[in-house]
Formats: sequence, C-alpha cells, structure tokens
Amino acid sequence: LAKTTQPISMDSYEGQEVNITCSHNNIATNDYITWYQQFPSQGPRFIIQGYKTKVTNEVASLFIPADRKSSTLSLPRVSLSDTAVYYCLVGDRDGYNKLIFGAGTRLAVHP
Amino acid sequence: GAGVSQSPSNKVTEKGKDVELRCDPISGHTALYWYRQSLGQGLEFLIYFQGNSAPDKSGLPSDRFSAERTGGSVSTLTIQRTQQEDSAVYLCASSSLAGAVLGSGANVLTFGAGSRLTVL
Repeated sequence: LAKTTQPISMDSYEGQEVNITCSHNNIATNDYITWYQQFPSQGPRFIIQGYKTKVTNEVASLFIPADRKSSTLSLPRVSLSDTAVYYCLVGDRDGYNKLIFGAGTRLAVHP
Repeated sequence: GAGVSQSPSNKVTEKGKDVELRCDPISGHTALYWYRQSLGQGLEFLIYFQGNSAPDKSGLPSDRFSAERTGGSVSTLTIQRTQQEDSAVYLCASSSLAGAVLGSGANVLTFGAGSRLTVL
C-alpha cells in the first residue's frame, strides 16, 4: 500500500493560490491519486482525482509529474470557506482495497 | 438513498456498554468502508466490505469491534464493552467502483456525516 506524506498545516490569505504537495514514493502502476476535503463536523468529500499529468475541474487542479511519486493540489484564489483539512489518497483502479488516509494538511485561510 | 446515511448522529454511553452504529450506503454501491476519527486527528481505517464480505479486518482496533453487512446494503459496526478511548467520530463511506469498472479511475468514496460516540 502506497503511503502518503503531506505537510501538517499551511496558512494562506484570501485570493491567493494554494498548492499542497503530497509525496507517495512507492505508488504502484495501477494506483490513482485522489484528494478529499474535510470541514469540521463533516465527512470528507471528493475534490479531484488523477493518474498522470494534469487534471482540472471547477474546484481545483491536480498536477502529477512523470514519475508520479508526488502530486500537487492547486486551489486557485482561495476564500475563507476553503479552510479545511485536505487529504491525499492513493488507491488502485481495481477498487477493492483498504484505502488508508494520511494525516492530511490543515489549511487555514486568513482575511 | 441520495447520500450515505449514518445513525445515530450522536451517542453517549457508559463505559462497559455495547453500542451499534448503522450505515446506510448509497443504493447500488458495492463497496463500504468504516473509519474512525478522534478529535483533531486523521482518519483511521477500520474495515471495508466488498458486497457482504470483509476481506480485511486487520484495521479493527480490538476484538471488541465487529462489523457486518447484509444484503449488500446496510452495515452495522458494533463495539462491545465500550471504553473511553473508543470515543470518536465513526465515519462510513460507500463507493460504486464505477470508475474502476470502466477503467477510468479508482473508486471515489462518498462519506456520511458520521456518528459521534462519547463513552463516559
């Protein structure tokens, strides 16, 4: 199982771009990278998923280098409501496996 | 249902009592996961179901914890003889594995709001 490492916390200000990097050195060929966001008193919710290169949706972008040993979640122009914990998760496309979340990155957005 | 439903949302119990936590996954979702989250901490994997089968129970903290899933739908997590260290939010998630089946991605989890357990 690929282990993930993320910064414990980050601080930013409204309107800035935030990049959170996750390391997954022993990622397997079949593994996808998925990011989740968790607000206090709520379960995590899906943000974005990718396999390689760049993926973009209405919420974020995900950058994955060629060696896939890391990935970077990019949040454009953050607002106070983006204050949350962000988790990077690596899991294979076969689907049936135990999905281990890391400690996550606690992002605080300041006015 | 429209989302993953968990009950009770809050449970306060006395040390030594048994508790049952219920998870109603999204209809048709074949995979179901249980996690535990202590205050201010990350998610601790407990168990996952593939249909009604639990291939890996190694995440359960002790033999006081058990889980079952019937009819490929509802799951119950049971904690016997609760201890104060069992106090946490218990989160359930389900997945359709549709992305995995289609070869277009790994399974995406949809979480419930959790059941907050407090053991006095």
